[in-house]
Amino acid sequence: GAVVSQHPSWVICKSGTSVKIECRSLDFQATTMFWYRQFPKQSLMLMATSNEGSKATYEQGVEKDKFLINHASLTLSTLTVTSAHPEDSSFYICSAGDRVTEAFFGQGTRLTVV
Amino acid sequence: QKEVEQNSGPLSVPEGAIASLNCTYSDRGSQSFFWYRQYSGKSPELIMSIYSNGDKEDGRFTAQLNKASQYVSLLIRDSQPSDSATYLCAVKGQAGTALIFGKGTTLSVSS
Repeated sequence: GAVVSQHPSWVICKSGTSVKIECRSLDFQATTMFWYRQFPKQSLMLMATSNEGSKATYEQGVEKDKFLINHASLTLSTLTVTSAHPEDSSFYICSAGDRVTEAFFGQGTRLTVV
Repeated sequence: QKEVEQNSGPLSVPEGAIASLNCTYSDRGSQSFFWYRQYSGKSPELIMSIYSNGDKEDGRFTAQLNKASQYVSLLIRDSQPSDSATYLCAVKGQAGTALIFGKGTTLSVSS
């Protein structure tokens, strides 16, 4: 199956700093990628839809100025958490799929803000 | 508001038994249905996908879909301790749209 690679797998940062997470589709071109966030014992919540070559679409309640998404190529989308705070600590997961159906997930990034 | 509902569990079954996981969804326009398995601290792993009414079997797993009732289920036969995980039901509309996830059902298989 298709492979989606996410990096880093975990990161610890100081409050107020920014963190960039990369999501790559390794063997297919992904015009659309999705970013999810998962808090402990909660389900995956869609944060935004990343479209290659255009602005991301954010879900209600997600601050677009805080969670910057860039999808500059058909194989790479990045999520930057700006001015991170402890409440941003979470498990961030990207997914990408072909045009038809399935979504393949990256390995996820465990962000801890101290 | 598109919603996917699952019983959070935990669902406890003995080794070798059948585990039955259920899911309902609100959007009648949904076209694709998925079951993912997620171990603690890990990313979801696709187990089954189903797109039309009826049953779909893959090894020990059987997915069942009833679009009229907006209901999808997953049966795990001969449950193993390694099946212990959280099972996420996910629903998708048109191609290119995001998956909508349920909150997941925690399954515990005791040896």
